[in-house]
Amino acid sequence: QKEVEQNSGPLSVPEGAIASLNCTYSDRGSQSFFWYRQYSGKSPELIMSIYSNGDKEDGRFTAQLNKASQYVSLLIRDSQPSDSATYLCAVKNKLIFGTGTRLQVFP
Amino acid sequence: GAVVSQHPSWVICKSGTSVKIECRSLDFQATTMFWYRQFPKQSLMLMATSNEGSKATYEQGVEKDKFLINHASLTLSTLTVTSAHPEDSSFYICSARPYQGTSNSPLHFGNGTRLTVT
Repeated sequence: QKEVEQNSGPLSVPEGAIASLNCTYSDRGSQSFFWYRQYSGKSPELIMSIYSNGDKEDGRFTAQLNKASQYVSLLIRDSQPSDSATYLCAVKNKLIFGTGTRLQVFP
Repeated sequence: GAVVSQHPSWVICKSGTSVKIECRSLDFQATTMFWYRQFPKQSLMLMATSNEGSKATYEQGVEKDKFLINHASLTLSTLTVTSAHPEDSSFYICSARPYQGTSNSPLHFGNGTRLTVT
């Protein structure tokens, strides 16, 4: 089992819709979780970090963590075409990355 | 704040030569830097953890004699790809954690170096 797993997508949503991205991880002892956005040919940029069970909101983004079920998700409200990118889930202090989910937001 | 500068942004070299990539934390000190490699349409794969003043810790399957890492100061780590081959062509990305950050703090990434070996 991979340490971090994501659906590679693409996930296509219309502009204005909610995009839901999911990630599962194998190490039950993981304490820190991050969502990064990566545009093609660019480095990842941090969107959200979450450390406790529950929801964490920042603008149009909401991260959800469920340690019992070992999953973390990212919701993007009012999706915009500029949100089209690959979203990487990462866990642990060394940042073990999932393969990323490619999101496409169409007008 | 928390800017990481990586240089060069792209490099083309001939097979058998060596290439050095620099990673600098511009406005913070970093005792730990990480080097990643990303092949097209794949995720970032951690290659090694670079520790200031000590030897780097390499991930399984990464040849330490081929990928030389030096972290001589709190603001600079270098990755040298020695005797490069076409299969080493990839996107290399460094990241750093601020000195005051905890092990759970997010990392700050450089802009990456696209290496093409001909």
